[in-house]
Amino acid sequence: ETGVTQSPTHLIKTRGQQVTLRCSSQSGHNTVSWYQQALGQGPQFIFQYYREEENGRGNFPPRFSGLQFPNYSSELNVNALELDDSALYLCASSFYTGSYEQYFGPGTRLTVT
Amino acid sequence: EDQVTQSPEALRLQEGESSSLNCSYTVSGLRGLFWYRQDPGKGPEFLFTLYSAGEEKEKERLKATLTKKESFLHITAPKPEDSATYLCAVQAGYGGATNKLIFGTGTLLAVQP
Repeated sequence: ETGVTQSPTHLIKTRGQQVTLRCSSQSGHNTVSWYQQALGQGPQFIFQYYREEENGRGNFPPRFSGLQFPNYSSELNVNALELDDSALYLCASSFYTGSYEQYFGPGTRLTVT
Repeated sequence: EDQVTQSPEALRLQEGESSSLNCSYTVSGLRGLFWYRQDPGKGPEFLFTLYSAGEEKEKERLKATLTKKESFLHITAPKPEDSATYLCAVQAGYGGATNKLIFGTGTLLAVQP
């Protein structure tokens, strides 16, 4: 069984640039959620994708957008990067959208300078 | 507003010294409570899911319990390798709602040999 993978591991961007983060879900899982974790904080929900459509969104501006592909992999795109976007971005996959466990990937550490 | 509070923020134990971590929650309709372990710079690792008051689950030196207002993670005779941040999260809302996780800020556990 393959776990959740994310790429890249680390990324350094300049304020105003755009970034794309990638996630491959665990085999058998069809739902992907993205979280932002600032240093010393718990993860904050960004949005969730199920069957290639957004299925819920947290309190994040529209410059955070995403995609889910037919193979259930997903992308997180962030436009017009701000310094406060520096964080660990986590992808989690689960089976369906019910009360099932979410399994997290190792994360992508984004630094905005 | 749905909220999760964890205490203490940090805990230092001697090897073999048992203790408990607390997670109190205020949610509109609990669908599940989850415990995760997170090592520095890595994604959260799933530990337990609890669904109803009175439920208990065990794994090695860890035991999670749930009441209507809070959950406890009991650590029996901890070892240095148990050192990590322990995160509590809840899923809330009723049928059809996204299964986003609402996290607390975590308890940083350090076990000294």
